Amino acid sequence: DAGITQSPRHKVTETGTPVTLRCHQTENHRYMYWYRQDPGHGLRLIHYSYGVKDTDKGEVSDGYSVSRSKTEDFLLTLESATSSQTSVYFCAISSRTGNNSPLHFGNGTRLTVT
Amino acid sequence: QQQVKQSPQSLIVQKGGIPIINCAYENTAFDYFPWYQQFPGKGPALLIAIRPDVSEKKEGRFTISFNKSAKQFSLHIMDSQPGDSATYFCGGDSGGGADGLTFGKGTHLIIQP
Repeated sequence: DAGITQSPRHKVTETGTPVTLRCHQTENHRYMYWYRQDPGHGLRLIHYSYGVKDTDKGEVSDGYSVSRSKTEDFLLTLESATSSQTSVYFCAISSRTGNNSPLHFGNGTRLTVT
Repeated sequence: QQQVKQSPQSLIVQKGGIPIINCAYENTAFDYFPWYQQFPGKGPALLIAIRPDVSEKKEGRFTISFNKSAKQFSLHIMDSQPGDSATYFCGGDSGGGADGLTFGKGTHLIIQP
């Protein structure tokens, strides 16, 4: 799986609690991404990073924040989880060298907010 | 604004048949069109990709057909097998930045034995 580890793989949490998901890569790729996958919506970009401490918002960033203090780690935080954030979250990495390098995805974190 | 429209949402085909998944795009800045394959419990993985300067690309049993004037492209799976059952995503990439890739909403494909 291209050296990408997501943790935890499953999590159940209560509405209003903070949650942090972790993505760790061993490929030394510059670009890292967080997506959420929901039935009928496909893959939607939450946030992405193009380097240490360099991040930007994606299509569905409201209610989420990210941090990247090291090349290998990209954290996604839900400050106060809501039921609408129940989803499967995927981290992806890319070297984005040359034109259109592919994304490599982790195996996802299934988050349930009750 | 949905920049890549994918259809059908789900598809059931008998083994040996040729499932076809279609995508249409709006952004003429896209210059790379990948297809990703996702098995249950796994992340998507790049299956095959095409650039708009060619009309067709084959890799094994998978073929992309590309129609630049119509802004449409499709994935064909020859001699489909139950092991091809997965969710397939098409995408368009403008290469303009880290967020240049846009995905379609996915097609859940089932190949019946």
